Amino acid sequence: GNSVTQMEGPVTLSEEAFLTINCTYTATGYPSLFWYVQYPGEGLQLLLKATKADDKGSNKGFEATYRKETTSFHLEKGSVQVSDSAVYFCATDFGNEKLTFGTGTRLTIIP
Amino acid sequence: NAGVTQTPKFRVLKTGQSMTLLCAQDMNHEYMYWYRQDPGMGLRLIHYSVGEGTTAKGEVPDGYNVSRLKKQNFLLGLESAAPSQTSVYFCASIQSPGHPYEQYFGPGTRLTVT
Repeated sequence: GNSVTQMEGPVTLSEEAFLTINCTYTATGYPSLFWYVQYPGEGLQLLLKATKADDKGSNKGFEATYRKETTSFHLEKGSVQVSDSAVYFCATDFGNEKLTFGTGTRLTIIP
Repeated sequence: NAGVTQTPKFRVLKTGQSMTLLCAQDMNHEYMYWYRQDPGMGLRLIHYSVGEGTTAKGEVPDGYNVSRLKKQNFLLGLESAAPSQTSVYFCASIQSPGHPYEQYFGPGTRLTVT
């Protein structure tokens, strides 16, 4: 069946470090792919998305590229800040308006 | 424009008690969703609704009921709470089918069942 596998955390980095959080999916079709972010005490909010192969989503310095050949959508940021500390969720929709979420990766940035 | 709001923010129940969680959205969105969030499990879909008067089961519907009598409200009910239902509950909505699938989330309700 369709599923999302996300890099487990927690991840702790120093400020200005490079960030990668891995996400892979299995699907019979070509889903849309999303990264959501959850800041402490809040609900999830969309960070970026890509709807077809080779699309690159970007927002707030974060990027992710839809790689059909590796069925991946890894999240990257070149220089993280303390304010990026949050839980990050990879998600897919599989075309049916229902999102399937990964288990989440808790990111902590140390000054 | 308040977006998606949830009531209450926190609640403690004893086993066997009942309660209703309210989700309200003021964006005229068609689809609404209830999720639960548990450590190491991500978000799991409980029930959802594709329009006023409709409901459907998600991944983990057992022990919950829902109603969508008005387009802007989506209620989640627990008839007889169990400790396994201790969780953080999130409501979400999207504008309509075919729209980019950005779900707008409420701030969550933290429920503890003792």
